[in-house]
Amino acid sequence: DVKVTQSSRYLVKRTGEKVFLECVQDMDHENMFWYRQDPGLGLRLIYFSYDVKMKEKGDIPEGYSVSREKKERFSLILESASTNQTSMYLCASSYDRDPRREQYFGPGTRLTVT
Amino acid sequence: AQKVTQAQTEISVVEKEDVTLDCVYETRDTTYYLFWYKQPPSGELVFLIRRNSFDEQNEISGRYSWNFQKSTSSFNFTITASQVVDSAVYFCALSEAKDSNYQLIWGAGTKLIIKP
Repeated sequence: DVKVTQSSRYLVKRTGEKVFLECVQDMDHENMFWYRQDPGLGLRLIYFSYDVKMKEKGDIPEGYSVSREKKERFSLILESASTNQTSMYLCASSYDRDPRREQYFGPGTRLTVT
Repeated sequence: AQKVTQAQTEISVVEKEDVTLDCVYETRDTTYYLFWYKQPPSGELVFLIRRNSFDEQNEISGRYSWNFQKSTSSFNFTITASQVVDSAVYFCALSEAKDSNYQLIWGAGTKLIIKP
């Protein structure tokens, strides 16, 4: 079974802090994704990566950056956290860039910025 | 532009009732894929089904069934004899084959509450 793990289930940070969210998948998937989930808005794509050191902006990249130094690990960075970044963050992976591929999700990190 | 609409924000039924979750999509592509995912209270989204645009056969898996109709651009999901464990948020999503950097276009989700 594919396993996607995220470093924290719950995180509380202060405004202006730098925040790192880590995601690891154990099935050698090429694609990895970061989403944020807010009530009534569904899932919105922040960034995705289809290979090591490669990244593509999603729909809402502002205020975020990502890093993929190893195939299994995809990090989301909030350079200077703000209260409007309080949300549920979901990491996902998929086998490759085929649009038929399903995505596998981690349990999510609920981030609160105060 | 692509779009997925799940008009039902929340549905509440009593256990053993049948319930249908609606999904309407918009796309200009002729080749596309539709998905349903389940997000239980634990938070982890789980893939349920994928449908290709060129295959309109309905699918049944136990108490779950999916009705894909290209004529109305809908991909509805029915749970028969619902159970409390079906309580979750359900998402419908669309991907297109237009380029290799595919993205899933997500609906807003429908929260399903099954009362005992």
